[in-house]
Amino acid sequence: DADVTQTPRNRITKTGKRIMLECSQTKGHDRMYWYRQDPGLGLQLIYYSFDVKDINKGEISDGYSVSRQAQAKFSLSLESAIPNQTALYFCATSSGTGGYNEQFFGPGTRLTVL
Amino acid sequence: AQKVTQAQTEISVVEKEDVTLDCVYETRDTTYYLFWYKQPPSGELVFLIRRNSFDEQNEISGRYSWNFQKSTSSFNFTITASQVVDSAVYFCALILAYSGAGSYQLTFGKGTKLSVIP
Repeated sequence: DADVTQTPRNRITKTGKRIMLECSQTKGHDRMYWYRQDPGLGLQLIYYSFDVKDINKGEISDGYSVSRQAQAKFSLSLESAIPNQTALYFCATSSGTGGYNEQFFGPGTRLTVL
Repeated sequence: AQKVTQAQTEISVVEKEDVTLDCVYETRDTTYYLFWYKQPPSGELVFLIRRNSFDEQNEISGRYSWNFQKSTSSFNFTITASQVVDSAVYFCALILAYSGAGSYQLTFGKGTKLSVIP
């Protein structure tokens, strides 16, 4: 089984709908991250969490919210989806030592907002 | 703020040719880590290598090799005898190696799309 899983893998929705993307990990890592990938732009950090009680905004958090339900679970919500949130979304985890350890990425969720 | 530049947007090579993907980074910090990730057409991100700023030794792993030069702030990636399975988007990334604000964030380049033609 994969260490970092994301559900759903693909989602098509309409403008204005609320969407939740879920991430689970079995690596026992404290740190979890949500990234967004747009074609030709690399990955940009949306939110990150260093533990269950610690949530921080990344560089592009507007229009998104997150919930860290447990050490192993980190969800990303789009309260009212808009077309420019169409992108590939990645969840990642890393160990708690220093933050510069390798980040392990999930398989990605492809979201299309019509 | 950190910056990673991958000037080559797309590269096409014929199978068995060697190819080098360039990565140039900017940071004021002296302690950092550099990464390369591969993103095949299926979309997942595959970790290839991590290199810390104090280790300038080149690394070779099979057909892959990496050349890290602090003097030019570059961390280039060479694939020898390319194969069709090497076709993917390759990302270079940087993270600072301290526990202060900003240390958590991987700064990615925009990626280089490599196409290996049979």
